[in-house]
Amino acid sequence: EDQVTQSPEALRLQEGESSSLNCSYTVSGLRGLFWYRQDPGKGPEFLFTLYSAGEEKEKERLKATLTKKESFLHITAPKPEDSATYLCAVQAVRNNAGNMLTFGGGTRLMVKP
Amino acid sequence: DSGVTQTPKHLITATGQRVTLRCSPRSGDLSVYWYQQSLDQGLQFLIQYYNGEERAKGNILERFSAQQFPDLHSELNLSSLELGDSALYFCASSPTGSLNTEAFFGQGTRLTVV
Repeated sequence: EDQVTQSPEALRLQEGESSSLNCSYTVSGLRGLFWYRQDPGKGPEFLFTLYSAGEEKEKERLKATLTKKESFLHITAPKPEDSATYLCAVQAVRNNAGNMLTFGGGTRLMVKP
Repeated sequence: DSGVTQTPKHLITATGQRVTLRCSPRSGDLSVYWYQQSLDQGLQFLIQYYNGEERAKGNILERFSAQQFPDLHSELNLSSLELGDSALYFCASSPTGSLNTEAFFGQGTRLTVV
């Protein structure tokens, strides 16, 4: 069974204070690892997909990296508007598995001015 | 705006009732996915349809069913509702059914069962 664990559950940062969010996963063959951002009462918003260990992707203040067991979302000099819940999800390689994603519990990020 | 439209945004109903949630995917997307998000369970995959056919099934209760119509919109039917079915229900869509492409989520339907 695919499992995704995110840590910490909640993270408070001061504006400009860089940090990293962790996503540990167990999957029988990784097809892709996805990062989403979710604001309260809204649907998840796609950020990145990573496909293989060593891959990195960047978008503004966010950088996602991937190893064989975990992924990190690095936030550099965050701003209050970066406050949201960040979700990690994996997609497994399985015959006829479709595109289903298994999500972690998320990290709730709060950035104070 | 992701391009995925869900209606209604809010729904309040009584236990034992049946409701239908509707999803219109992004233009050109053939796959539709349904997810349930509750406070204690997080985002849970329910079911995927691709071009009208069921493609993958997750933790979907027998009281729940879904279908995708020829115009590619999808409906999720929830029956014999229980208090524990109260949750946010999200629809997502993606262009294909089997490649590792990202899914774009709608804004969700908040279901409250009283």
